[in-house]
Amino acid sequence: SAVISQKPSRDICQRGTSLTIQCQVDSQVTMMFWYRQQPGQSLTLIATANQGSEATYESGFVIDKFPISRPNLTFSTLTVSNMSPEDSSIYLCSVQGGLQETQYFGPGTRLLVL
Amino acid sequence: RKEVEQDPGPFNVPEGATVAFNCTYSNSASQSFFWYRQDCRKEPKLLMSVYSSGNEDGRFTAQLNRASQYISLLIRDSKLSDSATYLCVVGTDNYGQNFVFGPGTRLSVLP
Repeated sequence: SAVISQKPSRDICQRGTSLTIQCQVDSQVTMMFWYRQQPGQSLTLIATANQGSEATYESGFVIDKFPISRPNLTFSTLTVSNMSPEDSSIYLCSVQGGLQETQYFGPGTRLLVL
Repeated sequence: RKEVEQDPGPFNVPEGATVAFNCTYSNSASQSFFWYRQDCRKEPKLLMSVYSSGNEDGRFTAQLNRASQYISLLIRDSKLSDSATYLCVVGTDNYGQNFVFGPGTRLSVLP
């Protein structure tokens, strides 16, 4: 499976500010995904990051709030814009691969918005 | 009805016990099925895929019943290290999109 790193691993931010989360993969992958996991909840897909085109967002998530970049096949960023306490969550990137064509996750970014 | 539902848990079992988790899914077009485990404050990690014929990996056995839209995970001879949240994951295609994660079932194996 791919080795995935995320930066920052955690942050505490003030409401109204923005945070950009980076996801780096050690191999080229076609599809990268961004998830949110709120406290005590399961994972919710935010968007699929496509290289060379705009991200595809799931219902309830919009580009203005969660802009995504995918400049190449090994890197993506997710920005959480104009943050509010409700954005406090773990944000995870994932890639698809392996023989089983399943998803492998980065270690996550723990965000607390005050 | 939620797309993927799991036993609410938590399950508290003694070491050596056998424990079974159940999962149901609502989308009959689902094609891929997985069990993930998530340790506290860690990312989810693939435990095993679930095939129509059923599959076994050591102490872990997964079963799929497409007719009933039901998936199970059986853990035999449970260890303290099995304590985690187990997530049932269902995909409607094989390209990563539309992977739906269940709410998870928490397992605590007690000494």
